[in-house]
Formats: sequence, structure tokens, C-alpha cells
Amino acid sequence: NAGVTQTPKFQVLKTGQSMTLQCAQDMNHEYMSWYRQDPGMGLRLIHYSVGAGITDQGEVPNGYNVSRSTTEDFPLRLLSAAPSQTSVYFCASSTAATYEQYFGPGTRLTVT
Amino acid sequence: AQKITQTQPGMFVQEKEAVTLDCTYDTSDPSYGLFWYKQPSSGEMIFLIYQGSYDQQNATEGRYSLNFQKARKSANLVISASQLGDSAMYFCAMREGPSGAGSYQLTFGKGTKLSVIP
Repeated sequence: NAGVTQTPKFQVLKTGQSMTLQCAQDMNHEYMSWYRQDPGMGLRLIHYSVGAGITDQGEVPNGYNVSRSTTEDFPLRLLSAAPSQTSVYFCASSTAATYEQYFGPGTRLTVT
Repeated sequence: AQKITQTQPGMFVQEKEAVTLDCTYDTSDPSYGLFWYKQPSSGEMIFLIYQGSYDQQNATEGRYSLNFQKARKSANLVISASQLGDSAMYFCAMREGPSGAGSYQLTFGKGTKLSVIP
């Protein structure tokens, strides 16, 4: 049972490049979400999903796309990276049976 | 208005002493949950403690307790007998709406950096 995994751990992109941050969980959780953490800020919700095929926007969705084709995976896509997207990205999962959200180890993204 | 306010950017505490980290929240929903997470320098988010808005007793988990004052909308974290390993960022967070109803989104405060002095 690996919990929530994220790849890659670190990534450097040039402005305008695209990439996908991967997130997977093996706990059969229905709820998954993506947060970003900037210096001096708490985590802010980007997108979330309450089940396969269902996604919705959080507080800061602009510049990001998500999809949820399976219960296990919830990738985050940056279509055209901008320096403002330099941040640490956390994926989390949860279930209605418990209140705790389980966080992945994070991906540190730098856009130059 | 900020939904979660942590007014202490940084705190120092002597090893073995107790420390209180402040958190106030703002919501009009009668059903909500309050969380504390620890983020050490390694970066991972570690769940510490949870308090539901209808819970009658203050939550406790080992050396962590949550001082829940509903009328004042505060949910302070108390760490007893501080240890060097407690040095980290601490985040207060809130979920609005009843647990299990699909309202899983968390709103976080900006955090408090706790430093434990030997």
C-alpha cells in the first residue's frame, strides 16, 4: 500500500512548455485534489474530483487542466507553463468514510 | 475575508515546554471540520488532529490537543512537552459542509513556523 504517489519530484520547464504532473493512489479513495503551495502561503486548491469522470475547479484553476478516467489516477496538466506557476504541487486523496486527507510527497516545479 | 487566519508567522518554544499555535476561522456553515497539519523541512504534509463542529469534546491525539472555542471561532493547536522534532511549519485548515457529503475541499491558513530551542 503506497498511499498517494506523485511524479516527478522535481521539474524545470521553460515558459510555454507543457507537462503533466502524475498522481496516483491505491486506497480506492473517491475524492482526489490538487493544491499548490507558494512561499508564505498555505495550500490553495486548484482542481478536485469526487469520482471517476467528475472534476471541478478550486480556488486557482487558471492554466491547469485535469481529468479522472480511473479511481486511482488524477493527472494535472499545464498546457503552457508560465513563471507564475512556479510552486510546489501536492496531490491529496480522501474518502467519505474518514475526514483525513492523505497527501502525496509533492512536486517542486520551476518555470523559467 | 480570509477564512482561516493564523496570526503568528513564527514562534519559539523551549524544549519540553508547551506551546499554543493560534487559528481563527470564518464560516457561516453550521457543519464544518477543522484540521491541523505539520510540514517539516522535508516538505511532506502530516495530518495531526481533527475537530468537527458538532464534537462536544476537544480533540486530542497524543501530545497534540485542539482548543476548540466555537463561539470565538478559534481552533488553537496545543503541543505539550515540545520536542526538537516538532520544529516545522504548522497549518490550520477548514472543510465547510458535513463530512461525507462531497465537501472535501480544504481551505488553509498561511501557517506558523515553530522552532523548538534545546
